Amino acid sequence: GQSLEQPSEVTAVEGAIVQINCTYQTSGFYGLSWYQQHDGGAPTFLSYNALDGLEETGRFSSFLSRSDSYGYLLLQELQMKDSASYFCAVLLDSNYQLIWGAGTKLIIKP
Amino acid sequence: ETGVTQTPRHLVMGMTNKKSLKCEQHLGHNAMYWYKQSAKKPLELMFVYNFKEQTENNSVPSRFSPECPNSSHLFLHLHTLQPEDSALYLCASSQDLVGSSYNEQFFGPGTRLTVL
Repeated sequence: GQSLEQPSEVTAVEGAIVQINCTYQTSGFYGLSWYQQHDGGAPTFLSYNALDGLEETGRFSSFLSRSDSYGYLLLQELQMKDSASYFCAVLLDSNYQLIWGAGTKLIIKP
Repeated sequence: ETGVTQTPRHLVMGMTNKKSLKCEQHLGHNAMYWYKQSAKKPLELMFVYNFKEQTENNSVPSRFSPECPNSSHLFLHLHTLQPEDSALYLCASSQDLVGSSYNEQFFGPGTRLTVL
């Protein structure tokens, strides 16, 4: 089957840097995406990696290595508002559907 | 209204009830999706519509019945549900299903469903 694994919870300190990892087992896919979801809110798109390497968008960066079946989301200069759940998802090339991880709850302490 | 809206935001129903969830997108998108989100589990894709036509049904029980009257509206009709169907039901839309670039999905706030 196709699956994505990510830690269930990560704790970090305000102002620090945190990395959320995502490993996957899947057949062909177009790319890896990341979404953020605050408690009680809707998932919102953060980033998409179609190619191997690092994509940077402000304080957030995302990385993909197809050879390692691995990706990560890097959050810098953490702010309390970054407390949320973060989901990785792969876009399958067979049916253009997103397959999701179970999400990582990021807890930020002052 | 902007983005993707869903009503109701909360719904409590008995196992013999019939209810409907509504989703509306104001983004001019062509594809719409229903997802089920349970605590600490991956989002489960239920149905996909593209230009009002259903393209995917991921082995969803028949007690869930989708309807897409036009590209802006999506319904999920519910009947004789089970307690394990209690979850957050999310609607999403994207410009298209396929394309040369990634089609970001825009989500509504969801309907929190409790089946007693």
